[in-house]
Amino acid sequence: DGGITQSPKYLFRKEGQNVTLSCEQNLNHDAMYWYRQDPGQGLRLIYYSQIVNDFQKGDIAEGYSVSREKKESFPLTVTSAQKNPTAFYLCASSPRTGYNEQFFGPGTRLTVL
Amino acid sequence: AQSVTQLGSHVSVSEGALVLLRCNYSSSVPPYLFWYVQYPNQGLQLLLKYTTGATLVKGINGFEAEFKKSETSFHLTKPSAHMSDAAEYFCAVSVSAGGGNKLTFGTGTQLKVEL
Repeated sequence: DGGITQSPKYLFRKEGQNVTLSCEQNLNHDAMYWYRQDPGQGLRLIYYSQIVNDFQKGDIAEGYSVSREKKESFPLTVTSAQKNPTAFYLCASSPRTGYNEQFFGPGTRLTVL
Repeated sequence: AQSVTQLGSHVSVSEGALVLLRCNYSSSVPPYLFWYVQYPNQGLQLLLKYTTGATLVKGINGFEAEFKKSETSFHLTKPSAHMSDAAEYFCAVSVSAGGGNKLTFGTGTQLKVEL
């Protein structure tokens, strides 16, 4: 089945540690996105990538980093510089042109203790 | 820059009653508009979308929305609510430029369905 997978579903880390969230898609989409979701704030864009080896900052990129070495993978690292990392993180993908719909993964809930 | 406003962070309806979730957008160019639904601890699922053409758009699970340019609105409706409709709903706007697209989301409306 085609889709987007995110792992793990729940993640716990100690304050000060970097953590990497996985996002994989087999939809053959060029574009991929990372969002952060907090209660009452909707979804906010962290980073996005329209093509392999290229990515752009979104609205709240500080304290996060990404890589796009393969078309199907777009991992997100939450660094120790992110002041409030506890949140629900959603990955999405879309065809690069001709469509504007984004397809979402199931999300990873990160809790920093 | 585009933006989305969803009026009412929480809406409560009785089972069988009309569902109306409001969305207003701001965009300097013709927008693409979307409604997504999210169940607890899950990702977002597309309900429906407006790109061009017919302004009344039908989606999954009996939902529909009407694009009204003069009112800059894209309200979501369903004639008869079901308990399974209880979820959070997000309106989003996209302005495609130079390839690729970014979505701007509203803050969401939590729908509660009561017996």
